[in-house]
Amino acid sequence: NAGVTQTPKFQVLKTGQSMTLQCAQDMNHNSMYWYRQDPGMGLRLIYYSASEGTTDKGEVPNGYNVSRLNKREFSLRLESAAPSQTSVYFCASRIQQNTIYFGEGSWLTVV
Amino acid sequence: GESVGLHLPTLSVQEGDNSIINCAYSNSASDYFIWYKQESGKGPQFIIDIRSNMDKRQGQRVTVLLNKTVKHLSLQIAATQPGDSAVYFCAENPRGGADGLTFGKGTHLIIQP
Repeated sequence: NAGVTQTPKFQVLKTGQSMTLQCAQDMNHNSMYWYRQDPGMGLRLIYYSASEGTTDKGEVPNGYNVSRLNKREFSLRLESAAPSQTSVYFCASRIQQNTIYFGEGSWLTVV
Repeated sequence: GESVGLHLPTLSVQEGDNSIINCAYSNSASDYFIWYKQESGKGPQFIIDIRSNMDKRQGQRVTVLLNKTVKHLSLQIAATQPGDSAVYFCAENPRGGADGLTFGKGTHLIIQP
């Protein structure tokens, strides 16, 4: 059972480039999330999808878009990367009102 | 603003001692709380959770205490081991819905030999 899988693990982008972070879960969870984590800070919610076909903004959505492709997959897109988006990104999933399970993270550097 | 916070950014304990990590929350409507452990270079890992209708829950070497009167959550780790060295986050579910958890900034637990 892989749980939550996200790719790529590491990525370096130039300012203005675009990229998509991929996430898939095999736990049949309804809800999926994208968080970012910056040094000395906790996790901040970017976007979430409460169920297949729906997406909503979290605390820090600016500069990002998401797609809930199906129940398993939830992708995060940076259309025009900025240095402020240098961070570690975590995908997560849950069954409502229960524990959120996280992937292993994607380290993104924008130069 | 931050609705979940930690009292100490770093906690240093002797190996074999008990560790207590504290957390304050501000949203009295929160009904679900979780402690996560995050090791360097890894994603947060679930440790233990508690719902608001409980005040104590025990796991293997860990205990979570919830004091709703003062909006305080704590994680107790018994007989701390080197493998317990990590950053610990508390998280709350503010509205009991599917819109994610709110996290504190974390406490770095350092184990002294």
